[in-house]
Amino acid sequence: NAGVTQTPKFRVLKTGQSMTLLCAQDMNHEYMYWYRQDPGMGLRLIHYSVGEGTTAKGEVPDGYNVSRLKKQNFLLGLESAAPSQTSVYFCASSYQTADTGELFFGEGSRLTVL
Amino acid sequence: AQSVTQLGSHVSVSEGALVLLRCNYSSSVPPYLFWYVQYPNQGLQLLLKYTTGATLVKGINGFEAEFKKSETSFHLTKPSAHMSDAAEYFCAVRKPNTGRRALTFGSGTRLQVQP
Repeated sequence: NAGVTQTPKFRVLKTGQSMTLLCAQDMNHEYMYWYRQDPGMGLRLIHYSVGEGTTAKGEVPDGYNVSRLKKQNFLLGLESAAPSQTSVYFCASSYQTADTGELFFGEGSRLTVL
Repeated sequence: AQSVTQLGSHVSVSEGALVLLRCNYSSSVPPYLFWYVQYPNQGLQLLLKYTTGATLVKGINGFEAEFKKSETSFHLTKPSAHMSDAAEYFCAVRKPNTGRRALTFGSGTRLQVQP
């Protein structure tokens, strides 16, 4: 039972490069989220999706884009990476029909922008 | 908007001692409250949650927390610390019955357990 899987787990970019982080969940969850984690700041919501084909901005969306073409996948894109985007990125998902409140997290993707 | 304050970014206890991690929240309505644990180089794992009902909730690994509305608190406790409890702990909050179900997290408390 894989749960939430993120790829890649590690990546180093140069300023201005682009990349995409992939999140896949096999729990048939409607809701999916991208957070970034920085020391002393906890987790901050970048974007989220309440279903296939829908996306919405979170607290820190600037510099990121997302897509939810398939229910099980949620992609996070950086079009022109900046050093301020060096962080650990977490994807999460949750139920729609049963509002248990819980989010299920992937293991994270560590991104370094030089 | 909801917010979460975790008092103390680092807490150190001796093995066998009481663990107390503090969390205070701000919310216009009684919220859902959560504690997550993150072990090194891993994702977040749910320890326990309060949604409705009994205000004292028990979680995994011997942890529990009590929702105190009058104090707007949801402190995490464990009677006796174990070396394996060393990790970072996050308190989180959200409003119930909303379309957006994202959690708002505190800044985290790193727990160190001394032998």
